[in-house]
Amino acid sequence: DAGITQSPRHKVTETGTPVTLRCHQTENHRYMYWYRQDPGHGLRLIHYSYGVKDTDKGEVSDGYSVSRSKTEDFLLTLESATSSQTSVYFCAISESGRPPYEQYFGPGTRLTVT
Amino acid sequence: DAKTTQPTSMDCAEGRAANLPCNHSTISGNEYVYWYRQIHSQGPQYIIHGLKNNETNEMASLIITEDRKSSTLILPHATLRDTAVYYCIVRARLMEYGNKLVFGAGTILRVKS
Repeated sequence: DAGITQSPRHKVTETGTPVTLRCHQTENHRYMYWYRQDPGHGLRLIHYSYGVKDTDKGEVSDGYSVSRSKTEDFLLTLESATSSQTSVYFCAISESGRPPYEQYFGPGTRLTVT
Repeated sequence: DAKTTQPTSMDCAEGRAANLPCNHSTISGNEYVYWYRQIHSQGPQYIIHGLKNNETNEMASLIITEDRKSSTLILPHATLRDTAVYYCIVRARLMEYGNKLVFGAGTILRVKS
């Protein structure tokens, strides 16, 4: 299994509070991604990174920011959590930006915003 | 994006081969076919990919039709642990410096004893 960990694995927080989720990889892969998964919507890309300090938005980036100061860590921050951000968050990594696009996923973080 | 069509759900007897079909009639010539699966409460797991030729690895076989408009993922000897949602993906939306896998609804495979 690819060396990807996510922390925390579960979190309950209140509306309006900031939350940071961490993704850590030991594979030295260049590309890292944050997805969210909700019933009826499948997996949707929030943000991705193509290198240290190089990030870009995905399809559902509003309300989220990311940072990547080291190859191995990709942080997802909810500046002011809302109930609509209750979801399961998955981090993924990929070695290459060219086909084929094999991505390896972490175990997920279940976030509940009350 | 190229769309995929998969059955909503399938059942398979334990020990038998599970054949999961996927239609992707709008696939373009340079697009790969990918299969992932997601076991309940876990992250998606990469299974296999192919372009034109049939492929086999330790997990599964991928059969792609000659016109590339459909494919079949074969789990040769399904076990209860293969119960999962299986995603067929034929489009990774290219962005300037990366890529995005577009997951559809997938097929729920239930392996029964």
